[in-house]
Amino acid sequence: DAKTTQPNSMESNEEEPVHLPCNHSTISGTDYIHWYRQLPSQGPEYVIHGLTSNVNNRMASLAIAEDRKSSTLILHRATLRDAAVYYCILRAGYTDKLIFGTGTRLQVFP
Amino acid sequence: KAGVTQTPRYLIKTRGQQVTLSCSPISGHRSVSWYQQTPGQGLQFLFEYFSETQRNKGNFPGRFSGRQFSNSRSEMNVSTLELGDSALYLCASRGSHYEQYFGPGTRLTVT
Repeated sequence: DAKTTQPNSMESNEEEPVHLPCNHSTISGTDYIHWYRQLPSQGPEYVIHGLTSNVNNRMASLAIAEDRKSSTLILHRATLRDAAVYYCILRAGYTDKLIFGTGTRLQVFP
Repeated sequence: KAGVTQTPRYLIKTRGQQVTLSCSPISGHRSVSWYQQTPGQGLQFLFEYFSETQRNKGNFPGRFSGRQFSNSRSEMNVSTLELGDSALYLCASRGSHYEQYFGPGTRLTVT
């Protein structure tokens, strides 16, 4: 299973953009890059995923490096409700199996 | 649509007992996965089921087993409970774009 590396924690102020980095140097051609977040006392929540191209949805944007060895989750305007642990995960194309790392704990200050 | 539901939400068992946890996926979802979350090990993959077939299994002892029924509902069973099995057990069902929707979890405490 390919591994991801994320900073343990990050901080942001409310209404500022947040860029959460993720390194995945051993990614294979069929691995999808997924991001989930987990708020306190809740199950993980899907945020976004992509394969090669940058992706946007109502929650966030995903920027994928050209060599696919890294990616960045972008929250355009952080809110207090975005405070959570964010997980960057590689999912092999033939499975639903998600291998969670330790994630990045995002703190958002008012 | 209703979300993923898990029952029971909380459970207290004694070492040596067995436990069965239930998961109802979002209507129309055929793939169900199970995860264990502990403070020490984080989120760990247990099993993945699709159309009643186990497609993948995580690195857990044989005491952990699961199954999926024809209506896509799934159960997982842990036999001969150990103190270290105390955890939050999460179930997820997969949508059409490979996004997974997690339930609220079952908090199992083994005493």
